[in-house]
Amino acid sequence: AQSVTQPDIHITVSEGASLELRCNYSYGATPYLFWYVQSPGQGLQLLLKYFSGDTLVQGIKGFEAEFKRSQSSFNLRKPSVHWSDAAEYFCAVGGSGDDMRFGAGTRLTVKP
Amino acid sequence: DAGVIQSPRHEVTEMGQEVTLRCKPISGHDYLFWYRQTMMRGLELLIYFNNNVPIDDSGMPEDRFSAKMPNASFSTLKIQPSEPRDSAVYFCASSPTKNIQYFGAGTRLSVL
Repeated sequence: AQSVTQPDIHITVSEGASLELRCNYSYGATPYLFWYVQSPGQGLQLLLKYFSGDTLVQGIKGFEAEFKRSQSSFNLRKPSVHWSDAAEYFCAVGGSGDDMRFGAGTRLTVKP
Repeated sequence: DAGVIQSPRHEVTEMGQEVTLRCKPISGHDYLFWYRQTMMRGLELLIYFNNNVPIDDSGMPEDRFSAKMPNASFSTLKIQPSEPRDSAVYFCASSPTKNIQYFGAGTRLSVL
């Protein structure tokens, strides 16, 4: 069965600094990979997804993620963090016909 | 499209009472999912429907929980009787293909 690990429960970065959130997955075939963001009191919003093709995917709000099959990773990056990026971030894995599995989430705090 | 609409946004009830959560999926989406989010257990899939038919309810915690989808534009999640440990945020999500899920804003349930 598929699974997702987000090793960092909480990350704090300064505004304007770069960000990388880690995600490792376990899946028997080629995975579908997702990053979602959840702002306080809100539902989850899709940031980006990877199904196939170019391993570097661009998403909304200036985020990008890179699929590395050899490392079973799909890390999320942003070159310069804004205060409005403070939120909970969830990585998810699924596959054609398979259920999605979400990681436990990483809470991002942005320092002024 | 207005997105996935959940009601109510907040629900406070007393132990033993019946609680009904409502969801209107995005028009044209064939899949509908119910999730529960807690600090302890993260995001858990409770049940999902395809074309109004329940496909997998293995995540439903116990018989006190039931879900229905009488038509393509409406679903309910009912808890009867409710217990304090049911306090959580309940999300509904819909999807055209099962993989890319669009979430509602959630219902925050407090059972006293």
